[in-house]
Amino acid sequence: DAGVTQSPTHLIKTRGQHVTLRCSPISGHKSVSWYQQVLGQGPQFIFQYYEKEERGRGNFPDRFSARQFPNYSSELNVNALLLGDSALYLCASSSVRAVAYEQYFGPGTRLTVT
Amino acid sequence: GESVGLHLPTLSVQEGDNSIINCAYSNSASDYFIWYKQESGKGPQFIIDIRSNMDKRQGQRVTVLLNKTVKHLSLQIAATQPGDSAVYFCAENIGDGGSQGNLIFGKGTKLSVKP
Repeated sequence: DAGVTQSPTHLIKTRGQHVTLRCSPISGHKSVSWYQQVLGQGPQFIFQYYEKEERGRGNFPDRFSARQFPNYSSELNVNALLLGDSALYLCASSSVRAVAYEQYFGPGTRLTVT
Repeated sequence: GESVGLHLPTLSVQEGDNSIINCAYSNSASDYFIWYKQESGKGPQFIIDIRSNMDKRQGQRVTVLLNKTVKHLSLQIAATQPGDSAVYFCAENIGDGGSQGNLIFGKGTKLSVKP
């Protein structure tokens, strides 16, 4: 059974550009959460989506947005990229709304903003 | 894979010894705690969890201790193996048994196991 998959694996963008990151949850999982992990730090919560609705949002600017599709896959969009957006972006899926447990992480997308 | 362990506190142990990784959490209202293991180039992997109404929980080779008085969490790994080398994060959650959408991660500790 496939785990959480994310694409692309690596991405290099220029300041001011926008980026779309994609996540496919484990089959049967209806909750997807996004985290940002800056090098040397723990992941920071960005969004949670459950049954295609936003259920939680972390302390991130409006440049960050996300959505979940009918097949429960998800996209994270970041506009007007800043150098500080360079990080590993992690997606996690869960079979229930409760995001804290039964949560499985993908390998992440490494975003570099130059 | 790119390391996630740069500039993190490091614990170095000999293979076969026991490891203790500590974590101070921030919110006295947190009611659910999780330990994650993150290897280079991979996402965090669930190790063990504990609810705030417990002070100890054991898994396979791992034990988590919770001291709510001083807001301290520890992870004990018995008979540490080279495959245990990774960055370990504690995470806390405020809400009804994890129903809230916000996991707060600590800064992490890099465990290095010497053969």
